[in-house]
Amino acid sequence: GAGVSQSPRYKVAKRGQDVALRCDPISGHVSLFWYQQALGQGPEFLTYFQNEAQLDKSGLPSDRFFAERPEGSVSTLKIQRTQQEDSAVYLCASSSRTSGIQRRDTQYFGPGTRLTVL
Amino acid sequence: GIQVEQSPPDLILQEGANSTLRCNFSDSVNNLQWFHQNPWGQLINLFYIPSGTKQNGRLSATTVATERYSLLYISSSQTTDSGVYFCAVHGGNNRLAFGKGNQVVVIP
Repeated sequence: GAGVSQSPRYKVAKRGQDVALRCDPISGHVSLFWYQQALGQGPEFLTYFQNEAQLDKSGLPSDRFFAERPEGSVSTLKIQRTQQEDSAVYLCASSSRTSGIQRRDTQYFGPGTRLTVL
Repeated sequence: GIQVEQSPPDLILQEGANSTLRCNFSDSVNNLQWFHQNPWGQLINLFYIPSGTKQNGRLSATTVATERYSLLYISSSQTTDSGVYFCAVHGGNNRLAFGKGNQVVVIP
């Protein structure tokens, strides 16, 4: 597609439910990122994939959060046993360059999934 | 991690006015991006600017990496410029570190 897409755009969950958020990156983009944006704040890094390898998951707030990208394209962010503090917008971004000494390339963001936990 | 500070946090402009948004960062960075987050939450890329000056229509940006700051200029502002502007820097490990944003409201 032309840009990064995410689904669903909105998700309401009852506390304790599991949710799965999907990201379709720009075709051919090697790198994929997940960010969490709380109301009134800037996005905060959660995790990073290069192809199917999860190279950095240091931003995941707890072991209830799990991300995967099994075929190096679509990614899913799963949150188990959701809590009210998980309410936020979850943003996915992709870029075309790998890490290393090369210049980090522009990250392009999807529209986000707004998660509300009741 | 790298700290990013943006100022002013809030700005109200009369349509047609010019403004400057500032981004300071605490450490050397590989790169820097400016985004506009529209009212629907979409982050729109404005500039990818590790150093120097770039212009795109009524917007321009300057980054002075050695002094750890970047500026975003909005000229002849329009109501469609309203929204939140974010500065984000590339530190280590590819991750972007964002500031808290500049909330801009342009009134007709």
